[in-house]
Amino acid sequence: QVQLQESGPGLVKPSETLSLTCVVSGYSISNGFYWGWIRQPPGKGLEWIGSIYHSGSTYYNPSLKSRVTVSVDTSNNQFSLRLTSVTAADTAVYYCARIGRRNGNHYYDYWGQGTLVPVSS
Amino acid sequence: DIQMTQSPSSLSASVGDRITITCRASQSIRTYLNWYQQKPGKAPNLLIYAASTLQSGVPSRFSGSGSGTDFTLTISSLQPEDFATYYCQQSSTTPALTFGGGTKVEIK
Repeated sequence: QVQLQESGPGLVKPSETLSLTCVVSGYSISNGFYWGWIRQPPGKGLEWIGSIYHSGSTYYNPSLKSRVTVSVDTSNNQFSLRLTSVTAADTAVYYCARIGRRNGNHYYDYWGQGTLVPVSS
Repeated sequence: DIQMTQSPSSLSASVGDRITITCRASQSIRTYLNWYQQKPGKAPNLLIYAASTLQSGVPSRFSGSGSGTDFTLTISSLQPEDFATYYCQQSSTTPALTFGGGTKVEIK
């Protein structure tokens, strides 16, 4: 069974950098698939942040592109998110997920449980 | 960028009701459309992919239809466990999988 688990600081101060890691178990990232980060501000909808392929190719939400970096560490079977210059608007539950595929269709098939990251001084 | 618009943003219904949620894409996405259910405090759960294919284990009261720009999710007979928020998501621009704004289904 594929499992994902986010980890990172419980609180980030404004103007600082938010860093999260997603550890994957039950599947080797090196075997393929895209992997992504999604966030959800309290009481609001889901926002795609960025995606990465096992080879390291990255794709970012244009609205966040200038502040986001997603990277992969295949040796430790994990991928990471860095979001710089955060403000209160970046307060959200952050999810990591795998992008599965079947018959040419892609969807998020496995998710982490999500981690709430408040941005506050 | 492809924009996904869901309607309504919320609805109230009773157990046993038939409900329909609509999702519209800003340009054609063929059938690259998925539906998720999210309950409070939980990650979203895939219900339907490719516009109309039921994910394994999802009850048959859920169905999806549409192609191009207009899509619907129907629950034929609402059950107590179906009260949740539903999101559509386009995968035409994989791996940039973007979501609609969500539809909250509440108990009347």
